[in-house]
Amino acid sequence: TQLLEQSPQFLSIQEGENLTVYCNSSSVFSSLQWYRQEPGEGPVLLVTVVTGGEVKKLKRLTFQFGDARKDSSLHITAAQPGDTGLYLCAGRSGGKLIFGQGTELSVKP
Amino acid sequence: DTGVSQDPRHKITKRGQNVTFRCDPISEHNRLYWYRQTLGQGPEFLTYFQNEAQLEKSRLLSDRFSAERPKGSFSTLEIQRTEQGDSAMYLCASSPSRQGGTDTQYFGPGTRLTVL
Repeated sequence: TQLLEQSPQFLSIQEGENLTVYCNSSSVFSSLQWYRQEPGEGPVLLVTVVTGGEVKKLKRLTFQFGDARKDSSLHITAAQPGDTGLYLCAGRSGGKLIFGQGTELSVKP
Repeated sequence: DTGVSQDPRHKITKRGQNVTFRCDPISEHNRLYWYRQTLGQGPEFLTYFQNEAQLEKSRLLSDRFSAERPKGSFSTLEIQRTEQGDSAMYLCASSPSRQGGTDTQYFGPGTRLTVL
């Protein structure tokens, strides 16, 4: 069974701080996606990484896919209250997505 | 709005009742997925369709659950004889199916089910 472990599960920081969220697996994934979800809404795609070692940037967010395509990280620089939400990593397994349990981020002003 | 839509957004029912949810995917997306998400967890895969064919079902999908996509457009998910453990957010997603592509899934807002 393919599993994705995210850490930390909860993160509460002050505005302006940096943070990193990790997503790890013992399995190889053909691609890995990061989503952000707000309460009562569906997940919204942030980025898809496909190639081992790939780094993608989205404004203050930096995403990295591990060389072996088993792990990924999300780094946020100078976090803002608007970054608050549930961050989910998901790996493709056949037609479906396998999700991590999520990281609940709270950024206080 | 051309995104994935789900109806209803919220459903409260009593244990033992049947409920049905509807999902309308992004037009021309031929793949449609159902996931279930409980509080504090990531979504768990339930089933998916390519056009009207149901290609995969999770072991989470007991015989009380049934999903259909009769014309390859909208889909329904029915839960019979609901149990309190069925309380969750039911999410629908759709994607185009591209050979060798990353097949991005776009999610709807979900249906929040509460079983009393």
